[in-house]
Amino acid sequence: KNEVEQSPQNLTAQEGEFITINCSYSVGISALHWLQQHPGGGIVSLFMLSSGKKKHGRLIATINIQEKHSSLHITASHPRDSAVYICAVSTYGGATNKLIFGTGTLLAVQP
Amino acid sequence: SQTIHQWPATLVQPVGSPLSLECTVEGTSNPNLYWYRQAAGRGLQLLFYSVGIGQISSEVPQNLSASRPQDRQFILSSKKLLLSDSGFYLCAWSYDSGRRNEQFFGPGTRLTVL
Repeated sequence: KNEVEQSPQNLTAQEGEFITINCSYSVGISALHWLQQHPGGGIVSLFMLSSGKKKHGRLIATINIQEKHSSLHITASHPRDSAVYICAVSTYGGATNKLIFGTGTLLAVQP
Repeated sequence: SQTIHQWPATLVQPVGSPLSLECTVEGTSNPNLYWYRQAAGRGLQLLFYSVGIGQISSEVPQNLSASRPQDRQFILSSKKLLLSDSGFYLCAWSYDSGRRNEQFFGPGTRLTVL
């Protein structure tokens, strides 16, 4: 079992729909990250959170530390949101920060 | 502001050939540096990280090596590529203290070994 699990693996939505991507983890973490990877491969950090909720434009990320679960929501989805969304966790310890990644959710938003 | 560069962007190499991928960071000093690989259909995996010049930690045994000859330069190498080395290689950096949790990714190098 992976230490970071995402669901669904693939998601197709119609433009305007509300989208939710889930992430569960089984290790102790110092932070959780949501990343966006576009078809060319480049990765952009969307959120880093250790508690509660963060909002940026149409994107909302929440985390429940007790349940070891996070969700990424996209409101009023648009075709330009199509990408792979990756959940990653920062683990404790040492002189540096190591990330453990989920396998990603491929989102396709159709016009 | 800080920027991270990787080159080349894409690379096609025959099996058995050597490899050198370079990553440089600008606008910060003494960053922590990371090499990740994303194999087809799989999640990102940490290969190496470095907390300073000449200091390299390997996360998984493999056909690759890393070096940090300068503070803001991180190089990924192989003497003889294998087919299984194909993938997308990402370099990342983080602050060495304070905002250590946050990592900033480079544009990546797509490597195809034929």
